[in-house]
Amino acid sequence: EVQLVESGGDFVQPGGSLRLSCAASGFSFSSYWMVWVRQTPGKGLIWVSRINDDGSIVHYADSVKGRFTISRDNAKNMVYLQMSSLRDEDTAVYYCGRERWAFPDYWGQGTLVSVSS
Amino acid sequence: QSVLTQPPSVSAAPGQRVTISCSGSSSNIGNNYVFWYQQFPGTAPKLLIYDSDKRPSGIPDRFSGSKSGTSATLGISGLQTGDEADYYCGTWDSSLTAGVFGGGTKLTVL
Repeated sequence: EVQLVESGGDFVQPGGSLRLSCAASGFSFSSYWMVWVRQTPGKGLIWVSRINDDGSIVHYADSVKGRFTISRDNAKNMVYLQMSSLRDEDTAVYYCGRERWAFPDYWGQGTLVSVSS
Repeated sequence: QSVLTQPPSVSAAPGQRVTISCSGSSSNIGNNYVFWYQQFPGTAPKLLIYDSDKRPSGIPDRFSGSKSGTSATLGISGLQTGDEADYYCGTWDSSLTAGVFGGGTKLTVL
């Protein structure tokens, strides 16, 4: 059974940093691209970033480019999202997903990031 | 203002069929696969349709997807009260080199 478990969400002040983690199990992790999607409370889904199977290709939404960094550790079956220069508008539930053509076919339960002074 | 345009809401009676549209452009829907998700309040989205018209195992055949040109459509037949949820379309945008979602459609089963 595919399982994705996010962690690392927290309250942080504007300008601060946070690293989200996603632990994957139940599939051959090193064979799949992975993706992060976020959702502002009460609002729609926003695509954030993706990373290929060996970590050599990454893509970002314009809204996070230069501030967020996606990475992975295939030995640990983990994918990460390092977030810096956080803004109020980054407040959201962040989901990681196993990717198919840039979109999740399986989703984690999400982790809440709250950016506020 | 999402790159993909969906109606904010649709409604229909139980047993009826409803369609949800997703409009884009040649840089996204026109040349890439479309995905559809169902989301209930407080839960993670669930994949309904992938590769524009395929259903994952376990998704009833009441749900269908299609794509024509720069638009895609999710169809739900035999509506049930349990189908009341938010529905999102998504696809890759080759110009943005990023994924894009529609703004979501709230389905009400009257």
